Amino acid sequence: QKEVEQNSGPLSVPEGAIASLNCTYSDRGSQSFFWYRQYSGKSPELIMFIYSNGDKEDGRFTAQLNKASQYVSLLIRDSQPSDSATYLCAVAANQEGTALIFGKGTTLSVSS
Amino acid sequence: GAVVSQHPSRVICKSGTSVKIECRSLDFQATTMFWYRQFPKKSLMLMATSNEGSKATYEQGVEKDKFLINHASLTLSTLTVTSAHPEDSSFYICSKGRPEADTQYFGPGTRLTVL
Repeated sequence: QKEVEQNSGPLSVPEGAIASLNCTYSDRGSQSFFWYRQYSGKSPELIMFIYSNGDKEDGRFTAQLNKASQYVSLLIRDSQPSDSATYLCAVAANQEGTALIFGKGTTLSVSS
Repeated sequence: GAVVSQHPSRVICKSGTSVKIECRSLDFQATTMFWYRQFPKKSLMLMATSNEGSKATYEQGVEKDKFLINHASLTLSTLTVTSAHPEDSSFYICSKGRPEADTQYFGPGTRLTVL
């Protein structure tokens, strides 16, 4: 049974700071990793996905993957109050990569 | 990106009744869709894989006789919560496609409240 672990938080950062969100996973064979943002009462929306070890940057977001340590993280630079949400880490549940196993999510609060 | 709709968006029902939730693919045909459930302040849990023209595949711990899934066409999958009880109250979300390729992988969700 694949498992994904996240610190539930809340993580509180001031506006403009860097928010660091962490995630570990149990299945060493996992290949695809995703970060989603979810606002209360809404469906999750994809922020980034990453397949390879190292960093992947997209705007203010950077995903970091370390397969040896089974660890994936998300950095949010210049955090904004609108970034306040729950961030869900997910790994592919099947070989096709079409279903996902989620962590419990980390709640981020950015204060202005 | 993929477009997924769900109906209804919210439903309130009495304990013991059955509720049907529809998930539609609005752009392309989907032979496979997925159903997730999210309890308050919890994460999404994959319930089942809906396969067009064949039986759904359920995740461990999900009762197939309680959560009936029908995928009779390439654009529609339905989830019926039979004999609903208050503990079934949850946010039900369907999805299709590839999460990295489809900008709207998830549907908007259905909030079920069982009184």
